[in-house]
Amino acid sequence: EIVMTQSPATLSVSPGERATLSCRASQSISSTLAWYQQKPGQAPRLLIYDASTRATGIPARFSGSGSGTEFTLTISSLQSEDFAVYYCQQYFTWPPGTFGQGTKVEIK
Amino acid sequence: EVQLVQSGAEVKKPGESLKISCKGSGNSFNGYWIGWVRQMPGKGLELMGIIYPGDSDTRYRPSFQGQVTMSADKSTTTAYLQWRSLKASDTAIYYCVKLVRGAPFDYWGQGTLVTVSS
Repeated sequence: EIVMTQSPATLSVSPGERATLSCRASQSISSTLAWYQQKPGQAPRLLIYDASTRATGIPARFSGSGSGTEFTLTISSLQSEDFAVYYCQQYFTWPPGTFGQGTKVEIK
Repeated sequence: EVQLVQSGAEVKKPGESLKISCKGSGNSFNGYWIGWVRQMPGKGLELMGIIYPGDSDTRYRPSFQGQVTMSADKSTTTAYLQWRSLKASDTAIYYCVKLVRGAPFDYWGQGTLVTVSS
């Protein structure tokens, strides 16, 4: 099974600053990597797919990069509504689905 | 557009049975897979398994095999997740998701909170 490892577990950032989240796969997954945002009491929402493509309606301050085993989600200038938990997920395998353990982005 | 609407929160006792639902609407419910994702309190996301409502082909992740049963009724475009005998450790939010091979989870149900407590 492919293991997804996210770092850091918690990221403290001030509004307006940049946030950089990392995700590593235990083996190459090409670009079959998605990022989700989850706010308290809500279902996760797809942010990025194919490692770098923004989903419909996602602001341009969210960007993804990477391929193979190393991936990054960058939020260029954090807004108040961006404080949440972010998960990466691979869909290279079928069935897909292994998620990282999540990174909580909190207000500094 | 796809919509997945799940049944409401449940409070059950250990040993009781339960069946929760996920009703799909929109484009071709029977043309894609439905997955069930567990989120235990304060924890991350785990895909439990998937089902293809068109023919009820079902795949369970090993840790969930034998613990739950997935089913679907294509005539009502509804998928189900069932427990025969609940345990306290089944307390979690369960999400249904739309699945297409080689694609991320782009549509999620709103989640069903299952609480198992004596």
